[in-house]
Amino acid sequence: AQSVSQHNHHVILSEAASLELGCNYSYGGTVNLFWYVQYPGQHLQLLLKYFSGDPLVKGIKGFEAEFIKSKFSFNLRKPSVQWSDTAEYFCAVNAFSGGYNKLIFGAGTRLAVHP
Amino acid sequence: DAGVTQSPTHLIKTRGQHVTLRCSPISGHKSVSWYQQVLGQGPQFIFQYYEKEERGRGNFPDRFSARQFPNYSSELNVNALLLGDSALYLCASSLGGRGRQETQYFGPGTRLLVL
Repeated sequence: AQSVSQHNHHVILSEAASLELGCNYSYGGTVNLFWYVQYPGQHLQLLLKYFSGDPLVKGIKGFEAEFIKSKFSFNLRKPSVQWSDTAEYFCAVNAFSGGYNKLIFGAGTRLAVHP
Repeated sequence: DAGVTQSPTHLIKTRGQHVTLRCSPISGHKSVSWYQQVLGQGPQFIFQYYEKEERGRGNFPDRFSARQFPNYSSELNVNALLLGDSALYLCASSLGGRGRQETQYFGPGTRLLVL
């Protein structure tokens, strides 16, 4: 079955600390991978995506993610977090089947950044 | 440009009632997907519509139905509401191509509370 696993449900960091959020997926086909972010009181926004090519993908606000096919992983990283990065982060895989795309999401990771 | 819009933002219903949620996609997008996000979980796929046709359906009971209009807006209907239907209902729009490399953009959601 297709699934996405996010290892950390809650992460607490101080400003300027480095961030890595884990994401592993289980999907047999060609993968397209996404990270979405949901800031408090706001809607889900696209942070970055991987379709093909360079496995190191850069997104908005200094975030990046690395697709490692052999590990079925797509971890999100940021070298130095800010208080404004406090949000919930969702990893998703695009399951293409029957001629259409649907997103399968992980359970999310809540990040709290303290000043 | 306007993003995905949804109405209403909040809704309170009682068990057994019926609810209709509405979504307008980004201009130029022809596909609308619906997701249910229960507290503490990632969004779960309910439906995808393209050019008024249902392309795909997730693992939800027949109480859930949807349709898409000629202007590509969409409605999600839920009959015979149960307490467990309380959730944030998200609408996502995409261009709607049949390729794998589709990006879905989310609206702010409708928060439904069933009492």
